[in-house]
Amino acid sequence: GAGVSQSPSNKVTEKGKDVELRCDPISGHTALYWYRQSLGQGLEFLIYFQGNSAPDKSGLPSDRFSAERTGGSVSTLTIQRTQQEDSAVYLCASSPLTDAYEQYFGPGTRLTVT
Amino acid sequence: DAKTTQPTSMDCAEGRAANLPCNHSTISGNEYVYWYRQIHSQGPQYIIHGLKNNETNEMASLIITEDRKSSTLILPHATLRDTAVYYCIVREVPAGGTSYGKLTFGQGTILTVHP
Repeated sequence: GAGVSQSPSNKVTEKGKDVELRCDPISGHTALYWYRQSLGQGLEFLIYFQGNSAPDKSGLPSDRFSAERTGGSVSTLTIQRTQQEDSAVYLCASSPLTDAYEQYFGPGTRLTVT
Repeated sequence: DAKTTQPTSMDCAEGRAANLPCNHSTISGNEYVYWYRQIHSQGPQYIIHGLKNNETNEMASLIITEDRKSSTLILPHATLRDTAVYYCIVREVPAGGTSYGKLTFGQGTILTVHP
């Protein structure tokens, strides 16, 4: 079946611009996660959505970052006034209700801020 | 969550079995062992998980020792495409299923499969 998809696959933007990254989770998965991975680094948790519960935003690095999930499916991660340190691969994952640690990752969006 | 220890790197010949060890001596009774891998320039990929019984799926087998203090991920016939960083993660899955799913990846084992 279809896996997690993300768009765009690559995004180059100028410092100070806003960007939106999209994630389509696996159909039926109730949980959705955003992580980011800087070059040569491990994964950094950003935000977590589970069903209709309030999202856990504890990993968002600043108030320039926000995310929403509409209709319990598609999610958008927005970064306002991008900075060079925001350059990273942004990864989205989803998991079924029965096991939050069985996460299926998308291919990621490579964001480059110039 | 229990801490895991994995070798930094391992080599394997193509076609041979790759056996990747993981120590988790402080694991508690309700913690599962999960394995993920990350191929270069791709997102992490879920492989397998288990509690106490050995598990097998189309990708790999997971052997957990009787005392649960260590486990081994086995790729039965490694191919060049299995070259990746392999992560062993120990997490509790609460009764009832739903749980907070933030994953924390350690350094993992860099597996290199040679022709």
